[in-house]
Amino acid sequence: QQPVQSPQAVILREGEDAVINCSSSKALYSVHWYRQKHGEAPVFLMILLKGGEQKGHEKISASFNEKKQQSSLYLTASQLSYSGTYFCGTRGGSNYKLTFGKGTLLTVNP
Amino acid sequence: DAMVIQNPRYQVTQFGKPVTLSCSQTLNHNVMYWYQQKSSQAPKLLFHYYDKDFNNEADTPDNFQSRRPNTSFCFLDIRSPGLGDAAMYLCATSRDRAGGQETQYFGPGTRLLVL
Repeated sequence: QQPVQSPQAVILREGEDAVINCSSSKALYSVHWYRQKHGEAPVFLMILLKGGEQKGHEKISASFNEKKQQSSLYLTASQLSYSGTYFCGTRGGSNYKLTFGKGTLLTVNP
Repeated sequence: DAMVIQNPRYQVTQFGKPVTLSCSQTLNHNVMYWYQQKSSQAPKLLFHYYDKDFNNEADTPDNFQSRRPNTSFCFLDIRSPGLGDAAMYLCATSRDRAGGQETQYFGPGTRLLVL
């Protein structure tokens, strides 16, 4: 089942922060975050495994609450290069399939 | 650099004319995936190979088939492309399917246009 991402789109000025949420109605084993720029392939940002861990990648970090079946991606002090569509991909327990949300379009303006 | 390579980057075919897209990887990963992504939509898994074991998604049309002759290469065959098959086709690989080894790395994609 496709995870739900929110918001669908967000516009920031350089230096501002943003949070992108991903939630599922089913139990999750792992959550994967990707950024995709227009016409390019998705680029892996981070993976969060069952266990409620929080990971960081430069000024981008994420958390995973397995009880709530939710993950959030935090972008701090956004840069122009952060612009793109952010997808979360979720995987259930015994299912190897990664199902992607519809994406969140992030635009960072000068 | 270890990577996932897709050829060609752009492919134009005619309605009903078979087409093959290729993917190769130097990561020596066990798993290779094919996704279809239409404009402004999420990537949709078509099928994946776990080593030589082929795993088809239930809703993947029979028109789409795949071959993996060895660890490094995987092909997507579209037997009779329709206008609705125009999309970006993404190949991805992962070391394994679970245990924290399931991170997928995507190739640059092949954009297919059907005339």
